[in-house]
Amino acid sequence: QQKVQQSPESLIVPEGAMTSLNCTFSDSASQYFAWYRQHSGKAPKALMSIFSNGEKEEGRFTIHLNKASLHFSLHIRDSQPSDSALYLCAVAHVGDNSKLIWGLGTSLVVNP
Amino acid sequence: EAAVTQSPRNKVTVTGGNVTLSCRQTNSHNYMYWYRQDTGHGLRLIHYSYGAGNLQIGDVPDGYKATRTTQEDFFLLLELASPSQTSLYFCASSDWGLNYAEQFFGPGTRLTVL
Repeated sequence: QQKVQQSPESLIVPEGAMTSLNCTFSDSASQYFAWYRQHSGKAPKALMSIFSNGEKEEGRFTIHLNKASLHFSLHIRDSQPSDSALYLCAVAHVGDNSKLIWGLGTSLVVNP
Repeated sequence: EAAVTQSPRNKVTVTGGNVTLSCRQTNSHNYMYWYRQDTGHGLRLIHYSYGAGNLQIGDVPDGYKATRTTQEDFFLLLELASPSQTSLYFCASSDWGLNYAEQFFGPGTRLTVL
């Protein structure tokens, strides 16, 4: 069974800081790597995803995948108080009966 | 126009009671999922389905039944509710392909079993 672990469990940063969140996985055949964000009292919502080694940037957010190291990360540039949320990483092997394997989450607080 | 809706949004029942949680998606997705979310445990998959009449067992299925009646509708049934099933329940839908696998979540149902 695939294992997905996130670090740190929680993080407090000042407004404007660079924030880095980490996710490790155990199945090297995994094909889909994603970050979801969940604001308090709301549903998780996909933030960014990547399917191949490398990096992808969307606005202030960058996702980086290193399959050889079984690791991917999310970097938030110029963190804002509105970024305060629970960040969940998810991994999947795309195929029949596909399902996501989730990390437990990193709770991020951005202080103004 | 929310693409995944859930009802009810809040439900209180007593131990031993019957509860049905409903989910409808208008994304035309084949896959639908039921999760529960509890502090310290993250999102845990209860059951999922890849089409009408299909049901797959998730990671925490004990005490839960599910039924997918149409492509749009997926139900979660608790026939003898217990306090351990007090939780926040999310439904989600998705499709899978070479470059897409995003899950879209409903707003959640908060269930309390007294």
